[in-house]
Amino acid sequence: SQQGEEDPQALSIQEGENATMNCSYKTSINNLQWYRQNSGRGLVHLILIRSNEREKHSGRLRVTLDTSKKSSSLLITASRAADTASYFCATEETSGSRLTFGEGTQLTVNP
Amino acid sequence: GAVVSQHPSRVICKSGTSVKIECRSLDFQATTMFWYRQFPKQSLMLMATSNEGSKATYEQGVEKDKFLINHASLTLSTLTVTSAHPEDSSFYICSATTGTGTYEQYFGPGTRLTVT
Repeated sequence: SQQGEEDPQALSIQEGENATMNCSYKTSINNLQWYRQNSGRGLVHLILIRSNEREKHSGRLRVTLDTSKKSSSLLITASRAADTASYFCATEETSGSRLTFGEGTQLTVNP
Repeated sequence: GAVVSQHPSRVICKSGTSVKIECRSLDFQATTMFWYRQFPKQSLMLMATSNEGSKATYEQGVEKDKFLINHASLTLSTLTVTSAHPEDSSFYICSATTGTGTYEQYFGPGTRLTVT
C-alpha cells in the first residue's frame, strides 16, 4: 500500500488561521520532505527533516517528526489566501533513493 | 536554486500516436532523474528511475515498452509515450537529483498529456 498517508484530505480555513496537516508512513526513513503543488503545476520543495531531527522551522512553516509513531506534521501559521494548494509529504528511505509520496492534503485558505 | 524544465507543458495527441516529453536540468548535472505520473486530485506515482547512460528502472506495473525513457546526457531525460491511448492522459512530472549526497529532488513544472 501507499507509503505516506495524509490527513485531512481536505482542509478549509480562514486567512490568518493556522493549518495543520499530518502524514504517517510505514517504513524506516532517512528523511521526510514536504512539498507544495499549485493546481496543474509542478512541486515546490518546502522543507526537509532528517530522521534524527524532531522539529524544524522555515518562515511560517513548522514541521515535526516522530519516528516512534512514524508520523510528521506540517503547520502553516498565519495562513494567507496564497497558501491555497495541495501539500504532500514524501519519504526517502535511504539517501538519494526514490521518494514515496503521500496522498496529499488540499488546503483552501479563504480570504 | 536548481531549475528543471519540461517541454512541452501541454500536449494533445491522437490515439495511436507517440509523444515525447523532455526533462532538462538547466543549471546542474543530474545523475538521476525520476518520472512520475499524477492523475487529477491524486498523488504522484513513481514510474521509473533513470540514471545517465544506463537503462531506466521501472516500477512494478509500468510497461517499459510503452513508456520509453532515455537519459542520454547529464542534463536531459526523455519520456516517450508510445501508441498513446486516452487512459494515458495524465500529468507527467520529472524530477532530478545530483545524486551526490543531496537529499533534495528538483521537480519540473509538469506536462499535461491529453490523448483524444
